[in-house]
Amino acid sequence: AQTVTQSQPEMSVQEAETVTLSCTYDTSENNYYLFWYKQPPSRQMILVIRQEAYKQQNATENRFSVNFQKAAKSFSLKISDSQLGDTAMYFCAFKGTAGNMLTFGGGTRLMVKP
Amino acid sequence: SQTIHQWPATLVQPVGSPLSLECTVEGTSNPNLYWYRQAAGRGLQLLFYSVGIGQISSEVPQNLSASRPQDRQFILSSKKLLLSDSGFYLCAWKTGFGNSYEQYFGPGTRLTVT
Repeated sequence: AQTVTQSQPEMSVQEAETVTLSCTYDTSENNYYLFWYKQPPSRQMILVIRQEAYKQQNATENRFSVNFQKAAKSFSLKISDSQLGDTAMYFCAFKGTAGNMLTFGGGTRLMVKP
Repeated sequence: SQTIHQWPATLVQPVGSPLSLECTVEGTSNPNLYWYRQAAGRGLQLLFYSVGIGQISSEVPQNLSASRPQDRQFILSSKKLLLSDSGFYLCAWKTGFGNSYEQYFGPGTRLTVT
């Protein structure tokens, strides 16, 4: 079974600074999909970024980028130029090629300070 | 564009009472539908998923059940609520076509069992 681990329960960053959230996972599959979701205080889960394991290039979406290290089974999220609106819970998620399940990590609570 | 609705937004119910939470999706057909529960400060636990009308898969044994009476409607139910059923319930959808694996979430229902 796949597991997803987010080792940082809480983090904080000053506005306009850069922060990196960690995520590691365990799988025996070679092809899979990884996601970062954001859950602001409104509780709406929002997809931030996705990465296909067969792609070597790290995904980027505006201020959000990932560092995907397949051999190390690591999938960190970097937020550049942090904004107050980035304050939220961030969840890392894994999807194997079989089945319908997303496996979520326990989340990291990020606080952006003015 | 696709949208997903959940209601009610909040619910307070006594122990032993029945439950019915509804989720509907607009702008897509034959979606895969999911029910998740999120305990306070915790990650997401998949409860049920459905790939079509009348097709329900349960991920964990529990006091809850799910039904899909229509293509874009997913209902979470209980005959008798327990205190442990309190939590934040999220419905999500994924396209049933192609190789897109990301899930999109509704606004959630906060359930408090007293």
